[in-house]
Amino acid sequence: NAGVTQTPKFRILKIGQSMTLQCTQDMNHNYMYWYRQDPGMGLKLIYYSVGAGITDKGEVPNGYNVSRSTTEDFPLRLELAAPSQTSVYFCASSEGQGVDFHFGNGTRLTVT
Amino acid sequence: QQPVQSPQAVILREGEDAVINCSSSKALYSVHWYRQKHGEAPVFLMILLKGGEQKGHDKISASFNEKKQQSSLYLTASQLSYSGTYFCGTEGGSGTYKYIFGTGTRLKVLA
Repeated sequence: NAGVTQTPKFRILKIGQSMTLQCTQDMNHNYMYWYRQDPGMGLKLIYYSVGAGITDKGEVPNGYNVSRSTTEDFPLRLELAAPSQTSVYFCASSEGQGVDFHFGNGTRLTVT
Repeated sequence: QQPVQSPQAVILREGEDAVINCSSSKALYSVHWYRQKHGEAPVFLMILLKGGEQKGHDKISASFNEKKQQSSLYLTASQLSYSGTYFCGTEGGSGTYKYIFGTGTRLKVLA
């Protein structure tokens, strides 16, 4: 099992550009999450999904969009990137709410 | 609302003990603890499912008091490898499938 795979690992964007952060898991988990972690800070929930076709907002959803067309994939879309979106983004999946929780290795995004 | 952890940071010498607390303004049904090393993803330590439950893993144990809506992580005879940031994780409240993390506690163990 690869677990949770995120791509890319690093990315630099210019202000106003868009990009998609990819996340895929091979554990057949229904629950998937996107978090952001600013330097020296905790993890903030952006969006989450409890199954294919079902997504919901977390604590800090503004400026982001997600989709969940399959159980395996949960991409995060940034439209019109802003410097405030400079952060490390973690994708995670779990069997139930917080049960058997697995993180990806993170994507370090810089917006300049 | 994000669970609040205390202390925010702690520095220990090897062999000393530490306690990290996690308090929520909402009812807790379960609490999970994670440790994150610098530049890495958080790693799961343990889960507590019942009020008053205590669990242990090596010299790290935890308790969960659902009435007080808080959990504590106990690190005994700390080792250099315990250094990192500790987070509690929990549901985001009843009627939601959110999973959120506490504010974090930075722990540094010195030789």
